[in-house]
Amino acid sequence: NAGVTQTPKFRVLKTGQSMTLLCAQDMNHEYMYWYRQDPGMGLRLIHYSVGEGTTAKGEVPDGYNVSRLKKQNFLLGLESAAPSQTSVYFCASSKITRETQYFGPGTRLLVL
Amino acid sequence: ELKVEQNPLFLSMQEGKNYTIYCNYSTTSDRLYWYRQDPGKSLESLFVLLSNGAVKQEGRLMASLDTKARLSTLHITAAVHDLSATYFCAVLPNAGGTSYGKLTFGQGTILTVHP
Repeated sequence: NAGVTQTPKFRVLKTGQSMTLLCAQDMNHEYMYWYRQDPGMGLRLIHYSVGEGTTAKGEVPDGYNVSRLKKQNFLLGLESAAPSQTSVYFCASSKITRETQYFGPGTRLLVL
Repeated sequence: ELKVEQNPLFLSMQEGKNYTIYCNYSTTSDRLYWYRQDPGKSLESLFVLLSNGAVKQEGRLMASLDTKARLSTLHITAAVHDLSATYFCAVLPNAGGTSYGKLTFGQGTILTVHP
């Protein structure tokens, strides 16, 4: 089992460019999450999904969109990147809502 | 709005010493999680605390939960260098089954253990 994987590992964008981060899990988990991690602020939830075809906003959703077309994949999109979106992005998944979340390795994004 | 506060945020310890990290939260909670993160790495689950008075231990780490005080502690016994990492607590609010796993994380405690 690979667990939770994320693509890419690192990316540099210019302001205004777009990109998609891919998260994949092979544990057949229903729930998937996208977080961002910034120094001194812990992790903050961007969007989450409770099942294939469903998504919902988290704490800091502005500037991001998500899609979950397949149960094993959760995509995070930035339509027009801003320097404030420079961060480390983590994807996580869990079997059900109350279970431990398993985290991917992270994607480091730098927006110039 | 649920707030989760950890203290201290930075902890420098000598090997062999004991210390406690505190995690306070502002609303009723279903359960509380502790995670470890090594520099540049992902988060690794340490403990899940399910109810008031819960205590879990793994090696030199022991976590406890007091839901009435809205407080969890992570106690480190006889610290060793390998415990150097950032430790996060995360709280799942008690939302009557509609929390959907939406964790709120503390800021993290950066622990450095030196000889």
